[in-house]
Amino acid sequence: DQQVKQNSPSLSVQEGRISILNCDYTNSMFDYFLWYKKYPAEGPTFLISISSIKDKNEDGRFTVFLNKSAKHLSLHIVPSQPGDSAVYFCAASARGFGNEKLTFGTGTRLTIIP
Amino acid sequence: NAGVTQTPKFQVLKTGQSMTLQCAQDMNHNSMYWYRQDPGMGLRLIYYSASEGTTDKGEVPNGYNVSRLNKREFSLRLESAAPSQTSVYFCASSDGRALPDTQYFGPGTRLTVL
Repeated sequence: DQQVKQNSPSLSVQEGRISILNCDYTNSMFDYFLWYKKYPAEGPTFLISISSIKDKNEDGRFTVFLNKSAKHLSLHIVPSQPGDSAVYFCAASARGFGNEKLTFGTGTRLTIIP
Repeated sequence: NAGVTQTPKFQVLKTGQSMTLQCAQDMNHNSMYWYRQDPGMGLRLIYYSASEGTTDKGEVPNGYNVSRLNKREFSLRLESAAPSQTSVYFCASSDGRALPDTQYFGPGTRLTVL
């Protein structure tokens, strides 16, 4: 049972345009959501997170939106750059302090077209 | 400051052979994790260690054992490798007390079992 779903395996976007990556979840106990970025032959790196008590978090070109009622979050990248081409993983952690185990989605491969 | 390091980077085993994947972190983190990544499956937690001296099973622990050797090191052992264990293995670490508890990943070990 996949608790965190990324239904789009791949996405192609023109350089300079907005990239929108989507993620859905089923477990209402999740209280933090994180996005990781992964280049080939490297480990995932943390990008941005959002608490379940917020609906938006922004960090430079990256913004994450959370819709709790729909159990849906999205990552917006504006403007998209060639270096953004990577696999993006959505992850979620359940309530509890410390030792937050992460549940990952299957990833979306983003390709930025120059 | 190397972050999370993993050895080896690549390994080919024959069915039934054993091996140990090594992981070390230099961030003074309390928690450490082992994941496997398979195509279309995202990252799945094998084992984790909340603190030195403790280990717990994750989502897919069968066929693996772990040792938290000290605060810095967390090893993953395959006692009798099977083709189903062909995968990319990632080690990660986190503070264990932060919210969210952001995990930092190593570069991965690509394992092939013939």
